[in-house]
Amino acid sequence: KAGVTQTPRYLIKTRGQQVTLSCSPISGHRSVSWYQQTPGQGLQFLFEYFSETQRNKGNFPGRFSGRQFSNSRSEMNVSTLELGDSALYLCASSLRDRLSSGANVLTFGAGSRLTVL
Amino acid sequence: QKEVEQDPGPLSVPEGAIVSLNCTYSNSAFQYFMWYRQYSRKGPELLMYTYSSGNKEDGRFTAQVDKSSKYISLFIRDSQPSDSATYLCAMSANGRGSTLGRLYFGRGTQLTVWP
Repeated sequence: KAGVTQTPRYLIKTRGQQVTLSCSPISGHRSVSWYQQTPGQGLQFLFEYFSETQRNKGNFPGRFSGRQFSNSRSEMNVSTLELGDSALYLCASSLRDRLSSGANVLTFGAGSRLTVL
Repeated sequence: QKEVEQDPGPLSVPEGAIVSLNCTYSNSAFQYFMWYRQYSRKGPELLMYTYSSGNKEDGRFTAQVDKSSKYISLFIRDSQPSDSATYLCAMSANGRGSTLGRLYFGRGTQLTVWP
């Protein structure tokens, strides 16, 4: 069974540019979450999608956006890149739906490492 | 103050040692407690999760939750060099609703087990 696939794995951008990262969840998983990981802050929640709807959003500026497609694949976009956006961006999927209770067991991809120069 | 605090280490132990990793938290609504392991250049992978207070054992790993103290632990017995990784605690609230998928992570503890 294929895991969570993220592309690209590595990318380098310059300040002011924008970037789009892609995530393919595990087959059958309809919930996709995005996290930013940095050495100083650890993993910070960006947003979560279910059935093409954003269910929850973390405390990030509007430059960070995302979407989910009907096949559950997800993309996130960061516009007007800043140096501080350099990080590992992790996508995770789960079986959890909006009616679920219990632990939200996330399966993570390997991440997309973004460097902003 | 972050909602989840975790000593980043680094922690270095000899093979065979017992390792203790810990996190504290401030939000009493947290009900689910997880430990993830992250190898270099990989995404985090779930090791264990527990609900509410108590212990859970899986092979060489034991997770403990003390909700009264808002303190969780992961013990690794007979540690191996292959256990060298960053260990992340994570937690979430209970029930249903749009906000409950979110996990709150500690910063991670970097562990090295040397032969």
